[in-house]
Amino acid sequence: GDSVTQMEGPVTLSEEAFLTINCTYTATGYPSLFWYVQYPGEGLQLLLKATKADDKGSNKGFEATYRKETTSFHLEKGSVQVSDSAVYFCALSDWPGGKLIFGQGTELSVKP
Amino acid sequence: EAGVTQFPSHSVIEKGQTVTLRCDPISGHDNLYWYRRVMGKEIKFLLHFVKESKQDESGMPNNRFLAERTGGTYSTLKVQPAELEDSGVYFCASSQKPDRAPNEKLFFGSGTQLSVL
Repeated sequence: GDSVTQMEGPVTLSEEAFLTINCTYTATGYPSLFWYVQYPGEGLQLLLKATKADDKGSNKGFEATYRKETTSFHLEKGSVQVSDSAVYFCALSDWPGGKLIFGQGTELSVKP
Repeated sequence: EAGVTQFPSHSVIEKGQTVTLRCDPISGHDNLYWYRRVMGKEIKFLLHFVKESKQDESGMPNNRFLAERTGGTYSTLKVQPAELEDSGVYFCASSQKPDRAPNEKLFFGSGTQLSVL
């Protein structure tokens, strides 16, 4: 069945460092891909999405490109801030409003 | 517009007791999903309602879990009797229509932290 594998954490970075969180997927069709974020004490929020190959999702300085040839959707940010400390989840779905399959989550801690 | 509301936010119960979690989706949303994250692992799908009907309950772990959505509005997830391994965060999510529209959005609640002692 469909699955998502993402880089294990925790990841600890200094403020203004470059961030990459790797995510690869296995799917039989052409899923939509997502990054969700959970800030401490809060619920899940959609960070960005891409619905077809070569689409780039972006939001709040984060970017991820849907790479069909490598079945990847890596999350990147050029300069992280302390406020980016959270747990990040990569996920896929057959359609944007449908059932999600998540990766295991990557905890990011950014130190001043 | 009100978001997806879940309560309680936290529940601490003893093994063998019963707990009922509630989710109020965004008004007018036909799709309602339950998910669970156990012990810092991946978030796993439990089940999907379309209005009051169970569309997919393939993720329900066993018959100690019972989900309902009477009238197609709010949903409850009952665990009876609770076991230690049921501890985790239970998330609810909703989206508007069953159509596979590319701009459709899924909205999550803040989750219920369940601790079974």
